[in-house]
Amino acid sequence: AQRVTQPEKLLSVFKGAPVELKCNYSYSGSPELFWYVQYSRQRLQLLLRHISRESIKGFTADLNKGETSFHLKKPFAQEEDSAMYYCALSPIEYGNKLVFGAGTILRVKS
Amino acid sequence: EPEVTQTPSHQVTQMGQEVILRCVPISNHLYFYWYRQILGQKVEFLVSFYNNEISEKSEIFDDQFSVERPDGSNFTLKIRSTKLEDSAMYFCASSEDSGALHFGNGTRLTVT
Repeated sequence: AQRVTQPEKLLSVFKGAPVELKCNYSYSGSPELFWYVQYSRQRLQLLLRHISRESIKGFTADLNKGETSFHLKKPFAQEEDSAMYYCALSPIEYGNKLVFGAGTILRVKS
Repeated sequence: EPEVTQTPSHQVTQMGQEVILRCVPISNHLYFYWYRQILGQKVEFLVSFYNNEISEKSEIFDDQFSVERPDGSNFTLKIRSTKLEDSAMYFCASSEDSGALHFGNGTRLTVT
């Protein structure tokens, strides 16, 4: 079975502090991993995916197959980063279904 | 930038009634999905649709649920006889290929 775990419901940091949103997954195959973000009153939108290896809005995430993790990091948090962040897994051999984690609220304080 | 649009934004219905949630996916996308999120819980996969047929469905997607692409632009989710536990936010999504889903704003369904 596929499972995505985001252990923190809420992460509160000060502006300028480093951010790490944790994500661990459980899947026997080779999944594709994503981070989606939902800003207040907006739709879920793709932030980044591991295969593209991009840095979006200063965020990066590295897939660690040994630790089955895909933590989202940013060196200096900004107030506009405050949002709900969802880690998601796509079991490639099963089409495009996404399995979501429970989400982490990031609150950046000034 | 093209967006997935969903209507209505909020639907209130009585238990046992049929409800149809509507979605217009991004026009050149080939894969369509419905997800739901019960208040305080995870976003859950319901169904995926490709080439005019269901490609995968979850255990949640039982005989009470159906999907349709009636006219080449709309993608609908029908719940035949709503139950209280169907109250949730329903998200439509579409994608060109594997992985990168584009979501709509959601329809909040309240069953009373």
